[in-house]
Amino acid sequence: SQELEQSPQSLIVQEGKNLTINCTSSKTLYGLYWYKQKYGEGLIFLMMLQKGGEEKSHEKITAKLDEKKQQSSLHITASQPSHAGIYLCGARPVLYSGGGADGLTFGKGTHLIIQP
Amino acid sequence: ETGVTQTPRHLVMGMTNKKSLKCEQHLGHNAMYWYKQSAKKPLELMFVYNFKEQTENNSVPSRFSPECPNSSHLFLHLHTLQPEDSALYLCASSLLGGRESYNEQFFGPGTRLTVL
Repeated sequence: SQELEQSPQSLIVQEGKNLTINCTSSKTLYGLYWYKQKYGEGLIFLMMLQKGGEEKSHEKITAKLDEKKQQSSLHITASQPSHAGIYLCGARPVLYSGGGADGLTFGKGTHLIIQP
Repeated sequence: ETGVTQTPRHLVMGMTNKKSLKCEQHLGHNAMYWYKQSAKKPLELMFVYNFKEQTENNSVPSRFSPECPNSSHLFLHLHTLQPEDSALYLCASSLLGGRESYNEQFFGPGTRLTVL
């Protein structure tokens, strides 16, 4: 089965600073999803990466998938208090065929705290 | 209402009780999922429904019984649970389709379950 390792487990960053969260897979990533979760609440979809070398940005958050499709990083520029929460990476277990539904495998998450 | 809703948001039950969790999606999706989130463990997939048919049961104990009467509603029936079943139960939905559909999953806010 596929396992996702996230690092660091927790991160305390001063407001305005940049930060990076990593997600490493033991197998090829067929679709890598980044979600944000506020404590005890549901997950908010951030971005999805599928192709090796792909990079996507939304506001101050940039996600990348390496060429080998086994590692992804999430970079936040000029962090703000609203960025605080738990960041989760999730992956599809197989190449999406357009047919059936597949549940995602998730990492344990990275707890991000923004200090004012 | 929009998105994915879950009721109740909090539930406390004894080990001999029978209760049900409800999930409803207003996104026109055709696949629904139950996930379990326990402290210090990755989000775990429990069940997958594809066009109302259960396509995956991720080795979940029989004290958890899912029901999907239509593509918009998903239930999780609970009976004779154990204290270790206390967790945040998250429902998600996605739209299956052609090659351009990457099974992006939208999550509800979750039900916080405590088993006494």
